[in-house]
Amino acid sequence: DTEVTQTPKHLVMGMTNKKSLKCEQHMGHRAMYWYKQKAKKPPELMFVYSYEKLSINESVPSRFSPECPNSSLLNLHLHALQPEDSALYLCASSQFEQTNTEAFFGQGTRLTVV
Amino acid sequence: AQKVTQAQTEISVVEKEDVTLDCVYETRDTTYYLFWYKQPPSGELVFLIRRNSFDEQNEISGRYSWNFQKSTSSFNFTITASQVVDSAVYFCALGLEYGNKLVFGAGTILRVKS
Repeated sequence: DTEVTQTPKHLVMGMTNKKSLKCEQHMGHRAMYWYKQKAKKPPELMFVYSYEKLSINESVPSRFSPECPNSSLLNLHLHALQPEDSALYLCASSQFEQTNTEAFFGQGTRLTVV
Repeated sequence: AQKVTQAQTEISVVEKEDVTLDCVYETRDTTYYLFWYKQPPSGELVFLIRRNSFDEQNEISGRYSWNFQKSTSSFNFTITASQVVDSAVYFCALGLEYGNKLVFGAGTILRVKS
């Protein structure tokens, strides 16, 4: 099973809302990632978790708050977002944090902030 | 610093044509890894191939083939007898032996018309 599952697939939220994106993998991978992708651009790394600990935060604004409850789950909590935060949010996992292993991506959550 | 250049922004071909997507990379490291990912309209990035810097053998997988040439720092991807289902955005990416961030190229949009 090489699947990374993300929910929801689509999300529309107001600037005062609080919502969460969820990601799940059952491949036994120890690294999980959040990427943000704007239209016609490559994915941009936001956060990396390695062995359930936050390893990288790419200077992401605090209105994005990641959480890794266990080795299979990764959440991204959203609060007070701006319209420019509208994007495709991709979750990925890999066996280990190092980039010598391939990452597997979910289908993403298409977020619209109104 | 690491960099990946995909000079072709968009390519359009007619079904059954062969098409080559170019990827040029820059790194001073001697050990590195190159990847190709496919992103169909559904959003998920699909892993296609990983190649390490010590393995310059070309690879063929069905209609897909990859040409890795260290002398020109290129890792090109050819689709033989293209099909409409090949329409997607294709990303080339670079990872380092002890790095934890993939460097993506800008992506190439491939449109295959019937």
